[in-house]
Amino acid sequence: AQTVTQSQPEMSVQEAETVTLSCTYDTSESDYYLFWYKQPPSRQMILVIRQEAYKQQNATENRFSVNFQKAAKSFSLKISDSQLGDAAMYFCAQSDDKIIFGKGTRLHILP
Amino acid sequence: NAGVMQNPRHLVRRRGQEARLRCSPMKGHSHVYWYRQLPEEGLKFMVYLQKENIIDESGMPKERFSAEFPKEGPSILRIQQVVRGDSAAYFCASSPLGGRAYEQYFGPGTRLTVT
Repeated sequence: AQTVTQSQPEMSVQEAETVTLSCTYDTSESDYYLFWYKQPPSRQMILVIRQEAYKQQNATENRFSVNFQKAAKSFSLKISDSQLGDAAMYFCAQSDDKIIFGKGTRLHILP
Repeated sequence: NAGVMQNPRHLVRRRGQEARLRCSPMKGHSHVYWYRQLPEEGLKFMVYLQKENIIDESGMPKERFSAEFPKEGPSILRIQQVVRGDSAAYFCASSPLGGRAYEQYFGPGTRLTVT
């Protein structure tokens, strides 16, 4: 069965600093996708970054990048130059035919 | 191109009433997924539908919950005889093709409160 684990319920980072959110997953599939979603107080699910499992190169989107370790089934998110607007819940997710979400990490940005 | 639309955004029901949640997929999308988010939890898959077909309902509670996606009109998630434990945010997502969970686009969600 697919599972996604986020071991950090909450994290804080100083504005302009870098923070890394952890995620591990389990799947028996060889072809799948991994995601990080941001959920601000509005509750809208916003796709931050997506990684295809067969691609070895780590995905990046501006200040957001991932460290994808396929053998270890690890998929961490690094946010550089943290901004106040980055404060939100962050969900790690994995999909083959449907998306399975972790329980989330609440990120606080300290001014 | 309008995104995925859900209505109502907020719904209050008394215990025992019925709740109907609607989801209009993005234009050109024929596949709809429903997810439930309990307080302080991640989203959990409920059901995957194609027009006029239920493809996967493995996450749907066996009783009181049903979903449909008719040939015309929005997808409907129906909860009969609601209980307090049904209070949650319900999200819909759509994709253009089947088996393409990685191309899902999420709606803004419906927050259901059962009093």
